Amino acid sequence: QSALTQPRSLSGSPGQSVTISCTGTSSDVGGYDHVSWYQQYPGKAPKVIIYDVYYRPSGVPDRFSASKSGNTASLTISGLQAEDEAAYYCCSYAGRYTPWVFGGGTNVTVL
Amino acid sequence: QVQLVESGGGLVKPGGSLRLSCVASGFRFSAYYMTWFRQAPGKGLEWVSYISGPSSTIYYADSVKGRFTVSRDNAKNSLYLQMDNLRAEDTAVYYCVRDGSWHFDIWGQGTMVIVSS
Repeated sequence: QSALTQPRSLSGSPGQSVTISCTGTSSDVGGYDHVSWYQQYPGKAPKVIIYDVYYRPSGVPDRFSASKSGNTASLTISGLQAEDEAAYYCCSYAGRYTPWVFGGGTNVTVL
Repeated sequence: QVQLVESGGGLVKPGGSLRLSCVASGFRFSAYYMTWFRQAPGKGLEWVSYISGPSSTIYYADSVKGRFTVSRDNAKNSLYLQMDNLRAEDTAVYYCVRDGSWHFDIWGQGTMVIVSS
């Protein structure tokens, strides 16, 4: 069982928006502004698309946005495209001794 | 270009050992924390261990503590993971990853470890 809770799957039609939630506790998501999101295609390594709650690395399309409220972080994909079909994982810093916890991943399907 | 290349994975019997290696290129390796993650087949990501640039700070996940040892050789731009007393539940793809300051910005391609009799 993952430390952070994400929906197992979501779907949307091209052009629509989907929002993935990531719920933790005050010891991880709620306690630090070090939430990041990773996109992973089958058989490939993950790629960071959001860091420190809402910052996008260069090269990541601006249709990816993110936020945090309390113990829940969210990733929104606006204007869904076929290439966005992938698994998405949230990750949060959780303190010095077990520093990084992940969600179980959300498979996004573009209908 | 900036990249990480892992090697050393394979099939090993329960109780056996493996040593994973990761060679970095394209950046000042010694300046970065480095991390090992793993992903069991069909499962999510799990943090395994991290090590600071000068190797002065090292932490392990409880699931591997006492069995795995992380190390690095900055002169060789290399990161290692010595895995002893392997169990079936250690079966996973292991990723070598650069800590880009509170997030993980460079990932290797991964190396598969299978623990089975």
